[in-house]
Amino acid sequence: EPEVTQTPSHQVTQMGQEVILHCVPISNHLYFYWYRQILGQKVEFLVSFYNNEISEKSEIFDDQFSVERPDGSNFTLKIRSTKLEDSAMYFCASRRLYSNQPQHFGDGTRLSIL
Amino acid sequence: GENVEQHPSTLSVQEGDSAVIKCTYSDSASNYFPWYKQELGKRPQLIIDIRSNVGEKKDQRIAVTLNKTAKHFSLHITETQPEDSAVYFCAASTIQGGKLIFGQGTELSVKP
Repeated sequence: EPEVTQTPSHQVTQMGQEVILHCVPISNHLYFYWYRQILGQKVEFLVSFYNNEISEKSEIFDDQFSVERPDGSNFTLKIRSTKLEDSAMYFCASRRLYSNQPQHFGDGTRLSIL
Repeated sequence: GENVEQHPSTLSVQEGDSAVIKCTYSDSASNYFPWYKQELGKRPQLIIDIRSNVGEKKDQRIAVTLNKTAKHFSLHITETQPEDSAVYFCAASTIQGGKLIFGQGTELSVKP
């Protein structure tokens, strides 16, 4: 069964540094998402991406965040100047065209800001 | 704003008993309601979902019910087993964009 893949599994970064998280969505999926989960809390929506542009973003997704689909397979999340409170598990997800179709999650990247 | 409330936050049952987790959503435009199981340190895994044109769906020991009028949906697990122990999240999404709004999660513990 095809899966969403994310790299790295764990990223440790100094506060103020830039970090890029990588995702390869399932190949025939058209919508891509980033979510984050602070330890012990619920999963929170960050951003959705369709047709090479952001379709929706949350209040969390401020100017420090950006997403990109640099080629036909990768989908990246960049945090420009990391803060301590950015420490969380970041999940990428993808789905087919319709909103009532399942979203498939990757294994996540654990981001630790020191 | 959009919100999903989930109860209880923790649930402990004996093996073989049933478990019920309930969620309430605020956005009446929500049309898709998945349930995810998350084991410690792992990804959320879809276990069952229901669309707004259906009132109930069952898959072996797992069932989900939806009451659109009351904006409630529930997960029912029968004949629970220790391997059902995990955190369960409900979620809701709307037609536009399809972002998932998650509930706070229920930590289910099934005691042998």
